[in-house]
Amino acid sequence: AQSVTQPDIHITVSEGASLELRCNYSYGATPYLFWYVQSPGQGLQLLLKYFSGDTLVQGIKGFEAEFKRSQSSFNLRKPSVHWSDAAEYFCAVGALSSNTGKLIFGQGTTLQVKP
Amino acid sequence: DGGITQSPKYLFRKEGQNVTLSCEQNLNHDAMYWYRQDPGQGLRLIYYSQIVNDFQKGDIAEGYSVSREKKESFPLTVTSAQKNPTAFYLCASSPFGEGNDEQYFGPGTRLTVT
Repeated sequence: AQSVTQPDIHITVSEGASLELRCNYSYGATPYLFWYVQSPGQGLQLLLKYFSGDTLVQGIKGFEAEFKRSQSSFNLRKPSVHWSDAAEYFCAVGALSSNTGKLIFGQGTTLQVKP
Repeated sequence: DGGITQSPKYLFRKEGQNVTLSCEQNLNHDAMYWYRQDPGQGLRLIYYSQIVNDFQKGDIAEGYSVSREKKESFPLTVTSAQKNPTAFYLCASSPFGEGNDEQYFGPGTRLTVT
């Protein structure tokens, strides 16, 4: 069955420190991969996406993610975290073979930023 | 500005009442989706629609109903059959309803049923 796992439910980092949020997927077909961010009580905003080509993708707000097929991972990184990055982050996977546009979301990782 | 609107932001209902959540988009997207979000459970798909007058059940459709009479509108009705309706509901749309589509989200409606 298709699934997305975000192993870390909650992460706390200090402002200015680096960040890595983990995402692992289980999908038989060629995946399309997304990272979304959600501020409290708000909708989701797309940070970045991977479809093909360069496995290191750049997104908005200084985020990047690296697709590693051998590890079935798509981890999100940021070199220096700002207090405004505190939010919930969701990894999602879609499928090349899908004709529905359905995405499968991970359970989310809540990021807390310490001053 | 193009986007997705959901109204109201907060909704309160008594148990046993049906309630309809509004979702409108002016992005000219073909596909629309309804998700339910509960703490620690991520987003779960309720219903989706790829074209007007057609929709499919998602993973947790029981107790919910939808309609898609217009391209820009995809209202969700939470019926009295839904056992635990209190949740945050998110509507989304995507251009073509294909596997590589980015989904655009509305601001959500928080429903509380007492």
